[in-house]
Amino acid sequence: GAVVSQHPSWVICKSGTSVKIECRSLDFQATTMFWYRQFPKQSLMLMATSNEGSKATYEQGVEKDKFLINHASLTLSTLTVTSAHPEDSSFYICSARSPGQGGEKLFFGSGTQLSVL
Amino acid sequence: QKEVEQDPGPLSVPEGAIVSLNCTYSNSAFQYFMWYRQYSRKGPELLMYTYSSGNKEDGRFTAQVDKSSKYISLFIRDSQPSDSATYLCASVNAGNMLTFGGGTRLMVKP
Repeated sequence: GAVVSQHPSWVICKSGTSVKIECRSLDFQATTMFWYRQFPKQSLMLMATSNEGSKATYEQGVEKDKFLINHASLTLSTLTVTSAHPEDSSFYICSARSPGQGGEKLFFGSGTQLSVL
Repeated sequence: QKEVEQDPGPLSVPEGAIVSLNCTYSNSAFQYFMWYRQYSRKGPELLMYTYSSGNKEDGRFTAQVDKSSKYISLFIRDSQPSDSATYLCASVNAGNMLTFGGGTRLMVKP
């Protein structure tokens, strides 16, 4: 299947700092990428849809000024958690649509565990 | 009511058992159905992908879709401890919007 690379795998930061997470589609071009958040033992919560060359679409309740998304190229989307606080500690996962036979499929990055002290 | 419902488990089975994981959905517009496996602290991994009613087999895994009853299943034969994970079903509508079930945690005991 298609490969989506996400970095870093984990990050620990002090409260008030900003953290950037990268999501790359390695062997296909992705005009649309998605960012999810997942708390322990819970399912994925869609945060936003990242569109190459345009503004991201945020889900209800997600602060766009808090979670900055940039999709500057067909293979890279970034999520920046600005002025992180302990309540932002979570597992963040990106995904990208890969076109192919039988319709588009969704592939996920390996996730980023963010811990804010 | 959620559009895709899934029993959260946990489901505990002995090694070698046949596992049945199930989801129901309410939106008739869903056209594609997928099963993902997620290990702890990892991103979901696509296991199976189907778009029509019936069965699709891949190794020890069989995905089953019944559009008339809006029911999707994943069967795992000869389950192994390494199959212990959370399994997420997902449905996609014509607009390519994907909706996940809440996930079922599976534990296969040696």
